[in-house]
Amino acid sequence: EAGVAQSPRYKIIEKRQSVAFWCNPISGHATLYWYQQILGQGPKLLIQFQNNGVVDDSQLPKDRFSAERLKGVDSTLKIQPAKLEDSAVYLCASSSQLDYSYNEQFFGPGTRLTVL
Amino acid sequence: AQKVTQAQTEISVVEKEDVTLDCVYETRDTTYYLFWYKQPPSGELVFLIRRNSFDEQNEISGRYSWNFQKSTSSFNFTITASQVVDSAVYFCALTSGGYQKVTFGIGTKLQVIP
Repeated sequence: EAGVAQSPRYKIIEKRQSVAFWCNPISGHATLYWYQQILGQGPKLLIQFQNNGVVDDSQLPKDRFSAERLKGVDSTLKIQPAKLEDSAVYLCASSSQLDYSYNEQFFGPGTRLTVL
Repeated sequence: AQKVTQAQTEISVVEKEDVTLDCVYETRDTTYYLFWYKQPPSGELVFLIRRNSFDEQNEISGRYSWNFQKSTSSFNFTITASQVVDSAVYFCALTSGGYQKVTFGIGTKLQVIP
């Protein structure tokens, strides 16, 4: 079974530029998560999708971050414009079934973003 | 509001020693789920265990064991006879609430010295 795929793996941009990350979850997984992991910290949930609907985006900085999950499969996370403090690893995870609190999450390798 | 506290930011042990990683959680919900994940140097988080709030039974899996105590709101993780391959960052996580909000602790970095 293929795991969660993310691209790109690394990205370096200058502040005020825009950037987009892509995630393809495990086939059949209804729930998809985007996390921000700053060096030395735990993953911070940015947005959680159930199929193509948003379940929780309370910690997403909506003035600059946006995410979508068209057709309930893969997802993109965008930052526009980027700030220095956005430098982090962006993790995508997915889980199966509808009772998503019960099921473990499967994580992708992450995208390491450096904002100069 | 919910919170996960991992007070130990870094631990170093010599190979074959036992080590316990602490996790203390806070939630107002009566139904919740606790998880441990491992993040090796390669970076990809890997699921280790899940516990729901109604199951306080401790669990053992090989050299790993978990002690869940609701009375102290703790979900501690013990590695017996540690090995170099156990070196990683370990995260405790909590999901609860009507929409199952997910909260991770800041992680404990474990270094096993040969």
